[in-house]
Parts: sequence; structure tokens; C-alpha cells
Amino acid sequence: QQQVKQSPQSLIVQKGGIPIINCAYENTAFDYFPWYQQFPGKGPALLIAIRPDVSEKKEGRFTISFNKSAKQFSLHIMDSQPGDSATYFCAASIGKIKAAGNKLTFGGGTRVLVKP
Amino acid sequence: DAGVIQSPRHEVTEMGQEVTLRCKPISGHDYLFWYRQTMMRGLELLIYFNNNVPIDDSGMPEDRFSAKMPNASFSTLKIQPSEPRDSAVYFCASSSDSKAQFFGPGTRLTVL
Repeated sequence: QQQVKQSPQSLIVQKGGIPIINCAYENTAFDYFPWYQQFPGKGPALLIAIRPDVSEKKEGRFTISFNKSAKQFSLHIMDSQPGDSATYFCAASIGKIKAAGNKLTFGGGTRVLVKP
Repeated sequence: DAGVIQSPRHEVTEMGQEVTLRCKPISGHDYLFWYRQTMMRGLELLIYFNNNVPIDDSGMPEDRFSAKMPNASFSTLKIQPSEPRDSAVYFCASSSDSKAQFFGPGTRLTVL
């Protein structure tokens, strides 16, 4: 019940395309859903995050769509650029229970390659 | 802010040796997390601390692994004795009540 399932494992798009990464969860207690971007040889970096009281959030070319009833959320990268080539991780955490702290459950990651 | 600082960045050691990884969290953050990343298992949470106290160590693979946080600005992850299967990238991350976790650059450990 603590799992976050992420798909696809890898994705190749042309420059300007819109890679879409999907995540699904089971635990309805999750209330914070961040996305992390990781470049080779670097640590994951927070990209954008959403809470379940909104259905969409945009930051620059990155958009999260959230479907609470389906327990799914996705990341869209608009007008993708070769510099967006990285591994993307979705995650989820429980905020209402203090003992859970800020513990994140991560998806398995999606390797995105944007071809010039 | 310097971000999360980890040392060393790379460590190569021989099986059976003790390995100590170090982390300095972002000042003011009261949560500290240790992760391990491998191709096979992805990003795994090993242990996390709140206000220097270990809260959840259920991800620590076995007794060979131990972690300490003697003060708010320093934590160590120790492997003794190390084994080849411990080869991975180890990340430290810190966060505050805002929940966003900030990761360090990682330590790439190779056990021969």
C-alpha cells in the first residue's frame, strides 16, 4: 500500500514534443506529491510538487495533472528540450500523521531522452 | 546556502573494510534522510532522523549498516564490514516542515 508505481521506464521524444510520465498510488493518506529530476552524476532535485486539493499545477514548461479519484498523477514537459534529458522520479508522502515525518515513497524512475 | 554537503564524493574500498560516509544538512532543516541508489533497486530510503533522533531505520539492509546524527549539522552512515553488493550511490537529503527534500550530490561507493 506504500508503493508508488511509475511508467514508462524510459521515453524518447523529439525536441518540442511532450513527454508524459504517469504515477499511480494506493494509499489514500498520501497528501503531497513531488517530482524530482536527476541528471547523471547528480542528486535528485525537486522540480515541482502538488497537493490533492488541486487538479493541475504549472511551473514553467512542467505541468502536474492530478486525479484524486483515480489515485493517479502525471508530469508533462511542454516544448521539451535536449537539456530536459534526465531521469524523473515521482514520489508521495503522508503529511497528516506527524510520525510519518517527511518520508517520501519514490516511484521507480523514468529515463527521458529528448532528441535534438 | 551551500546545500546538502556529502563527503567523500567517491570511495573505493576492498571487501571487509569499514566505510564511513558523511553528510552536512542544510542549516535549519530538522529532517535528515539517507538513501541508496542502484540500477536494480532504484532509490531506497535507508534511515531518517528528526531533530537528530532516528525515526525509521526499517530500510537499513542489515546490521553491517549503522547511522548516527550527533548534532543538527552532521550525520554519518557507516558500513562495517563492507561487501561488493554495497556498491551504490548513497545520497543524503534534508528537509524542514515544508516537506521538500533537498538532496546532496551523493557518494559513489565501490567495494572491490
